[in-house]
Amino acid sequence: DGGITQSPKYLFRKEGQNVTLSCEQNLNHDAMYWYRQDPGQGLRLIYYSQIVNDFQKGDIAEGYSVSREKKESFPLTVTSAQKNPTAFYLCASSPSLRSNTGELFFGEGSRLTVL
Amino acid sequence: AQTVTQSQPEMSVQEAETVTLSCTYDTSESNYYLFWYKQPPSRQMILVIRQEAYKQQNATENRFSVNFQKAAKSFSLKISDSQLGDTAMYFCAFISLAGGTSYGKLTFGQGTILTVHP
Repeated sequence: DGGITQSPKYLFRKEGQNVTLSCEQNLNHDAMYWYRQDPGQGLRLIYYSQIVNDFQKGDIAEGYSVSREKKESFPLTVTSAQKNPTAFYLCASSPSLRSNTGELFFGEGSRLTVL
Repeated sequence: AQTVTQSQPEMSVQEAETVTLSCTYDTSESNYYLFWYKQPPSRQMILVIRQEAYKQQNATENRFSVNFQKAAKSFSLKISDSQLGDTAMYFCAFISLAGGTSYGKLTFGQGTILTVHP
């Protein structure tokens, strides 16, 4: 079935460690997104990518990095510079950014806990 | 910048009854879409319903309908004949189609947790 796969579903990390969250899609979508979800704050955009080898900062990019070497993959690295990394992370995709009518396809999310 | 506000952190409803979730937004744009997304417990977020700002008619999708008041910048979701499977967090979202730095990117509200009781 077509969709978005995020892994791992749960991740624990010690302070000072970098961690990479995986996001893979087989929908042949050009655009991919990373959102952070915190209680009472909704979803906030971290990074997005319109096409391979291109990505842009969202509203809360500090302490995060991404890459887009393949159309299907958009991994997110939470670096030790992220002050408050404990959160639920959602990856999403859409056919393209320019023709985006707002329907995003989401993965099941990754819950990161910093110990 | 656009903002989306959901003022009801939690709502509950009895099975088979009707419930309305509220959403307000702030924008200076005239060309945009509004959405309600559903995030069930431990499951993927999915699109429930979409409203195009230039359409006066309120969108409906089976038991789900919206009340879109453009002048008041209000966009509420009505769920009729509530079912246990409607239990989820619901997010209101906005996207501008007018160009600029926010083009093509969704802005979400804080979410409303809806619990349907048997």
